[in-house]
Amino acid sequence: GAVVSQHPSWVICKSGTSVKIECRSLDFQATTMFWYRQFPKQSLMLMATSNEGSKATYEQGVEKDKFLINHASLTLSTLTVTSAHPEDSSFYICSARSLTETQYFGPGTRLLVL
Amino acid sequence: GDSVTQMEGPVTLSEEAFLTINCTYTATGYPSLFWYVQYPGEGLQLLLKATKADDKGSNKGFEATYRKETTSFHLEKGSVQVSDSAVYFCACHSGGGADGLTFGKGTHLIIQP
Repeated sequence: GAVVSQHPSWVICKSGTSVKIECRSLDFQATTMFWYRQFPKQSLMLMATSNEGSKATYEQGVEKDKFLINHASLTLSTLTVTSAHPEDSSFYICSARSLTETQYFGPGTRLLVL
Repeated sequence: GDSVTQMEGPVTLSEEAFLTINCTYTATGYPSLFWYVQYPGEGLQLLLKATKADDKGSNKGFEATYRKETTSFHLEKGSVQVSDSAVYFCACHSGGGADGLTFGKGTHLIIQP
């Protein structure tokens, strides 16, 4: 089946630094990828839709200057959390949409900002 | 916007018991409905889906029927196994501008031998 990877799987950083998370579709091309955020015991919340070769579409309330998304190729999207603060600590999950419209999810990246 | 409500867990059952996890949705138009499963340490995997009213999705012994009259998509399995222990997420997709999925909070299922 289709596989989506995320790197890193977890990261600890100091407040004020930037963190980049990669999302790759390993065996299929994805013109559209999605970034979700999950708080403990909460559902996944869509942050933004990442479109290859164009600007990302952000959900209401998500700061586009804080969460930079780049979808440079059909198999890679990156999410950069800029000037991270403790309230940005969360579980970030990406998904890639296949030609059959099915979304395949990555294993997630746990971010802890000290 | 869309919303999904599912029963909160944890749900603890004995092996071979009958499973039902309730899920109801609120959405515009005719959404597609999904159940995803997340095993410990792994990403979400699509378990089954239904794209129109009265459709039944099924996979690995799990079933769910798209009930538009009750806006529900309850997940069922006749005889659960220890290996079914995981977190189950109900989700809907109405399409439109964002195109992302709207998820329920997830239900943690624990099957005891």
